[in-house]
Amino acid sequence: AQKVTQAQTEISVVEKEDVTLDCVYETRDTTYYLFWYKQPPSGELVFLIRRNSFDEQNEISGRYSWNFQKSTSSFNFTITASQVVDSAVYFCALIMTGGGNKLTFGTGTQLKVEL
Amino acid sequence: GAVVSQHPSWVICKSGTSVKIECRSLDFQATTMFWYRQFPKQSLMLMATSNEGSKATYEQGVEKDKFLINHASLTLSTLTVTSAHPEDSSFYICSALTSGRVKETQYFGPGTRLLVL
Repeated sequence: AQKVTQAQTEISVVEKEDVTLDCVYETRDTTYYLFWYKQPPSGELVFLIRRNSFDEQNEISGRYSWNFQKSTSSFNFTITASQVVDSAVYFCALIMTGGGNKLTFGTGTQLKVEL
Repeated sequence: GAVVSQHPSWVICKSGTSVKIECRSLDFQATTMFWYRQFPKQSLMLMATSNEGSKATYEQGVEKDKFLINHASLTLSTLTVTSAHPEDSSFYICSALTSGRVKETQYFGPGTRLLVL
């Protein structure tokens, strides 16, 4: 069975602070894909990143960065210099390649960025 | 990124009526689409996997006779909530799987909010 855990239910930060959203996953497969999605108040999920299990290189995209560590089964997401527009629910998700492309979502982390 | 639309964006109906929700992939062909349901402050729960030209595969606990799914073309899947009741009120989201530039990636529609009175 596969599982994604986002232990942080809600995080509040002040604008311009850096914030890291944690994601820990469980899977028996050696080949899998990890994702992060953003769900703003409007409800539409926005794809942020996809990472396959063989690529442990960290990635940076503007103010966003991701740290993938297979040794700890973690795929953490950091927002640098947070902005109010970053306020949303962020979901970490997992697909096993032999799992019919079904996404297993974590419970989500509500991020609130205040002025 | 890939664009997926849903219609309607919200619907209010009386208990006992049926509601149809459409999911379209606008700029790519999607052989596989997924239907999710999300209750307030909860995560997305997969309801069913819809494959073009074949019957949908439902997750455990989802009534296939209540949630009818049709995937008649490579760009359109529909979810019909039959004889809707207040407990069916939820946010329904579809996604389409593309094997394009970012493989095995699901792109999500904007969702449909259903309120059953």
